[in-house]
Amino acid sequence: KNEVEQSPQNLTAQEGEFITINCSYSVGISALHWLQQHPGGGIVSLFMLSSGKKKHGRLIATINIQEKHSSLHITASHPRDSAVYICAVRRGGADGLTFGKGTHLIIQP
Amino acid sequence: AAGVIQSPRHLIKEKRETATLKCYPIPRHDTVYWYQQGPGQDPQFLISFYEKMQSDKGSIPDRFSAQQFSDYHSELNMSSLELGDSALYFCASSLGDTYYEQYFGPGTRLTVT
Repeated sequence: KNEVEQSPQNLTAQEGEFITINCSYSVGISALHWLQQHPGGGIVSLFMLSSGKKKHGRLIATINIQEKHSSLHITASHPRDSAVYICAVRRGGADGLTFGKGTHLIIQP
Repeated sequence: AAGVIQSPRHLIKEKRETATLKCYPIPRHDTVYWYQQGPGQDPQFLISFYEKMQSDKGSIPDRFSAQQFSDYHSELNMSSLELGDSALYFCASSLGDTYYEQYFGPGTRLTVT
């Protein structure tokens, strides 16, 4: 079983829909990251969370430490949001991130 | 704002050759991380450096070595290249270790033929 599980693996939605991507992890962490990767490979850091909730524009990320679960929400989705969204955790005492398999999101016009 | 710079962006090598990848962190960032992402795979942590000292080690093969220099840039040296080393290599940097956000570079795509 992977230490970081994401769902869904693939998601296709219509423009304007509210999107939710879920991440569950099974290890103790010091932080959880949400990352965005576009075709061609570049990775952009969206959020780093250790508790609570963060919002940036149309993106909202939440984390429940007790339940070891995080969600990434996209409001008013747009085709330019199409990308792979990756949940990655930083285990306590470690430097490197452990990555989930990613959610491939396609927003259709 | 300045971002993480990686060079080269693309590299083609033959089996058994050596390769050197370079990473220039965001100014004032003192921690560098290296990740390897194989085709269709999620990134895997290789190694990290904080203040020029190795900080943490992941799944880095013995054929690979890395170091961080006095100006905080880092180099990943890869020897006896194998076809399976073909991957996208990401460098990330942060200001301090453990509790700080990692910012990723654009990656170096290495192809071994």
